[in-house]
Amino acid sequence: GAVVSQHPSRVICKSGTSVKIECRSLDFQATTMFWYRQFPKQSLMLMATSNEGSKATYEQGVEKDKFLINHASLTLSTLTVTSAHPEDSSFYICSARDPTTDSPLHFGNGTRLTVT
Amino acid sequence: GEDVEQSLFLSVREGDSSVINCTYTDSSSTYLYWYKQEPGAGLQLLTYIFSNMDMKQDQRLTVLLNKKDKHLSLRIADTQTGDSAIYFCATGFQKLVFGTGTRLLVSP
Repeated sequence: GAVVSQHPSRVICKSGTSVKIECRSLDFQATTMFWYRQFPKQSLMLMATSNEGSKATYEQGVEKDKFLINHASLTLSTLTVTSAHPEDSSFYICSARDPTTDSPLHFGNGTRLTVT
Repeated sequence: GEDVEQSLFLSVREGDSSVINCTYTDSSSTYLYWYKQEPGAGLQLLTYIFSNMDMKQDQRLTVLLNKKDKHLSLRIADTQTGDSAIYFCATGFQKLVFGTGTRLLVSP
């Protein structure tokens, strides 16, 4: 079964509004989670590393004020796309792994965001 | 930075074996992964291999790792139409670098 749960799976919003995407680790605590973005017909690119209790680390070229990340608990990280524009339309996917084991990285099912 | 390359497309007939190849540049990668993505869906972890292994077999899937050549392959035996999807290889420990993805098309 899924070990990383992501919600919502699809969201449509109007330009200028903000959208929050949740990523939860199931059955384990994740001090670190990762957010990726996938453009249509392209590969996945790491956007940022979400750190529990501290600021997220953003990859080069990712606007931290546009993509707000909050990791308030050991099982939940949220990505908020602020003042969304059509060019923010994409597939966003989070990942996490159980740091207490040698288990691999698991991904959520992703969120398809469409900004109209 | 790390670069991961894959061929873009592979077409096979049902029942044949499929081999998807991947090359990478970072020799320090700890884990090497294979993910499957069906249209409109998220990533499904198929299998992974530790960098100190040469081969891993899991039912119809066989992963081969050639560290010297920095080459990873995924063999799917008895390929089925349900295997049609995009397959991504990825390297890293937690921050993964993904390949470009290989679209596998299985025809009846």
